[in-house]
Amino acid sequence: GAVVSQHPSRVICKSGTSVKIECRSLDFQATTMFWYRQFPKQSLMLMATSNEGSKATYEQGVEKDKFLINHASLTLSTLTVTSAHPEDSSFYICSARAHQGGKAFFGQGTRLTVV
Amino acid sequence: GENVEQHPSTLSVQEGDSAVIKCTYSDSASNYFPWYKQELGKGPQLIIDIRSNVGEKKDQRIAVTLNKTAKHFSLHITETQPEDSAVYFCAAGTGTASKLTFGTGTRLQVTL
Repeated sequence: GAVVSQHPSRVICKSGTSVKIECRSLDFQATTMFWYRQFPKQSLMLMATSNEGSKATYEQGVEKDKFLINHASLTLSTLTVTSAHPEDSSFYICSARAHQGGKAFFGQGTRLTVV
Repeated sequence: GENVEQHPSTLSVQEGDSAVIKCTYSDSASNYFPWYKQELGKGPQLIIDIRSNVGEKKDQRIAVTLNKTAKHFSLHITETQPEDSAVYFCAAGTGTASKLTFGTGTRLQVTL
């Protein structure tokens, strides 16, 4: 399958600071990337969908000013958690698909801990 | 919106036995049903998928069946091995909407 690389795999940050997570499609061009959040022993909750060159579409209840998403190229999307708080601690996962109807491949996830 | 239910939440089988995980979905417009395997601390890995124009698909020890009328689909793993132990998620989506709705996950434990 296609390779999606997510960086960093783990990050610890102080409350009030911002953290950027990168998601790259290594061997294909991703027209659409998705960002998910996963709490321990729970399912994946979609946060937002981003299409290259346009604004992200956020799911209900997700603050777009807190979770900034940029999809500037066909191989890179970034999620920035702004003014992080302990309740933002979670496992964040991106996925990418090359075209509508195409398979979605996931990155390895980022464990964010806000202290 | 779409709602996907998954059962069981935990499943323990002996090595060599078969494992079956079942999902139901609510949106009749859904036409794409992937299954993912997630190991601890890692992102989900696509293991098999099926589209609504197919009733069954098989890949070595893994098979998926789809009943569009009843709106349910199942994952079958035969000859289970310890390395099959993981959390498995089903998902449903439509090609045009692009996004997937995930089930709640099944923790599969294969014991020796």
